[in-house]
Amino acid sequence: GAVVSQHPSRVICKSGTSVKIECRSLDFQATTMFWYRQFPKQSLMLMATSNEGSKATYEQGVEKDKFLINHASLTLSTLTVTSAHPEDSSFYICSARSRESGTDTQYFGPGTRLTVL
Amino acid sequence: QKEVEQDPGPLSVPEGAIVSLNCTYSNSAFQYFMWYRQYSRKGPELLMYTYSSGNKEDGRFTAQVDKSSKYISLFIRDSQPSDSATYLCAMSMSGTASKLTFGTGTRLQVTL
Repeated sequence: GAVVSQHPSRVICKSGTSVKIECRSLDFQATTMFWYRQFPKQSLMLMATSNEGSKATYEQGVEKDKFLINHASLTLSTLTVTSAHPEDSSFYICSARSRESGTDTQYFGPGTRLTVL
Repeated sequence: QKEVEQDPGPLSVPEGAIVSLNCTYSNSAFQYFMWYRQYSRKGPELLMYTYSSGNKEDGRFTAQVDKSSKYISLFIRDSQPSDSATYLCAMSMSGTASKLTFGTGTRLQVTL
């Protein structure tokens, strides 16, 4: 149980285009999902916290108009990188909060490697 | 200064060795201390967490937290090739389901 999937696993796009990344909790409902970003040789950094049915909360320094987050259902959150540029190339990973079976923790997806040319 | 410092390695040990992985941190508000294991092309998987200072043991794994020194450790006994992965420390102020601050991760290779 507690599986989180991400799609796509890898994406290459041209500068100026938008890219959408999906995060799904496959076997549990997640009222909260988190989006992280990891640059090479750096740690996972939280970008934003999304709660189902409400606006996402962004960390300091993360542009909310560039990284659009939608959490329309209890099993799906999406991150759209708008007008992507090469400096947005990174590893994006989501996690979903589970409060089922007496636990309260977050489970991570496998990540999405974004390359902007 | 980073909030959490972790040596990226790589760390290479022979099978059966005791492995010691460490992190230091600067924010005294952290109360929850976690260790995640991440295999290649997979998401981080929670190994263990500790609340406040002290030790916690789970099988071959022991987590230690020294809040006075702002230093946490993960020990792996009788290491196996299947333990080869990247180990990330993470910390939060309010639980494993809350905002996490990660170290960079230490890549561990256990050789036959």
